[in-house]
Amino acid sequence: DAGVIQSPRHEVTEMGQEVTLRCKPISGHDYLFWYRQTMMRGLELLIYFNNNVPIDDSGMPEDRFSAKMPNASFSTLKIQPSEPRDSAVYFCASSLQGPYEQYFGPGTRLTVT
Amino acid sequence: QKEVEQNSGPLSVPEGAIASLNCTYSDRGSQSFFWYRQYSGKSPELIMSIYSNGDKEDGRFTAQLNKASQYVSLLIRDSQPSDSATYLCAVNTGNQFYFGTGTSLTVIP
Repeated sequence: DAGVIQSPRHEVTEMGQEVTLRCKPISGHDYLFWYRQTMMRGLELLIYFNNNVPIDDSGMPEDRFSAKMPNASFSTLKIQPSEPRDSAVYFCASSLQGPYEQYFGPGTRLTVT
Repeated sequence: QKEVEQNSGPLSVPEGAIASLNCTYSDRGSQSFFWYRQYSGKSPELIMSIYSNGDKEDGRFTAQLNKASQYVSLLIRDSQPSDSATYLCAVNTGNQFYFGTGTSLTVIP
């Protein structure tokens, strides 16, 4: 069974540009999570969805960040405009029943210059 | 105070020894507890979950939970060089999910 799929795996962009990260959760999982990991702050939960509905977005750093889940098999995290401090590894994870045992995708390494 | 705290290490143990990793959490209402392993440059991988007080064993791994003292630990028996990684403690509290900053473990052959 395929795991969580994320694309792109690496993204390099210039400050001010729009960045869109994509995630396909494990089939049948009804929870989807977006995380950001940096050396300074560790792994931070940004937002999570249950059955495509956002449940908690209190971790989204500011209005430049937005996330959508139009259907059970696809989610996007968008940053507009991007800033150098957004440079991090962004992980998507999914779980079967609740914010419990989560399975992570390979991550997207974002570099904003 | 952080929601989840771990000693960042690094922790070094010889091959074959027991590695002990500890984690404390701040919210007494926390319900679920997890250990993830993360190799350098890779994504976190779930290795253990524990929901009630006591010990839970899975192969060479044992998770221990003490809700009264608000700590959770992970023991790795017969440590192998392949266990060298960063171990992340995670806690579910209500609708939130918090990770510690991780403990770096090195197993020396």
